[in-house]
Amino acid sequence: DGGITQSPKYLFRKEGQNVTLSCEQNLNHDAMYWYRQDPGQGLRLIYYSQIVNDFQKGDIAEGYSVSREKKESFPLTVTSAQKNPTAFYLCASSMWSVNTEAFFGQGTRLTVV
Amino acid sequence: AQSVTQLGSHVSVSEGALVLLRCNYSSSVPPYLFWYVQYPNQGLQLLLKYTTGATLVKGINGFEAEFKKSETSFHLTKPSAHMSDAAEYFCAVRLLGGSQGNLIFGKGTKLSVKP
Repeated sequence: DGGITQSPKYLFRKEGQNVTLSCEQNLNHDAMYWYRQDPGQGLRLIYYSQIVNDFQKGDIAEGYSVSREKKESFPLTVTSAQKNPTAFYLCASSMWSVNTEAFFGQGTRLTVV
Repeated sequence: AQSVTQLGSHVSVSEGALVLLRCNYSSSVPPYLFWYVQYPNQGLQLLLKYTTGATLVKGINGFEAEFKKSETSFHLTKPSAHMSDAAEYFCAVRLLGGSQGNLIFGKGTKLSVKP
């Protein structure tokens, strides 16, 4: 089945540690996105990538990093510089054309302990 | 800047009642519009989309939305609410280029359904 897979579903991090969230898609989509979701704030864009080896900052990129070495994969690293990383993180993918929808993974809930 | 506004962060209806979730957009060009649903601790699922053609769009689970260019609106409706409709709903606009990866979301409306 085609889809987009995020792992792990739940992640706990100690303060000062970097963690990497995985996102893989087998939909042959050009574009991939990372969003952060906090209660009452909707979805805020962290980073997006239109093609392999290229990515752009979104609205809240500080404290995060990404890579796009393969079309299928777009991992997100939450660094120790992110002051408030506890949130629900959503990965999405789509064709890079305006009349197509984005498909979402099931999310990763990150908690700092 | 382009934006999407969802009126009402929380909407509560009784089971069997009409569901109306409001979405307005600002766009200087014809937009492409989407409604997504999110159940707790899950990702977003597409309900319906408007790209071109008929302005009344039917989606999954009995939902529909009407694109009204004169009102810059794309409100989501369902004639009769079911308990399983309780979820959060997001309206989204898709644009060429821009700093937001060409997909802009509203802040969401949480729908509660009372028995």
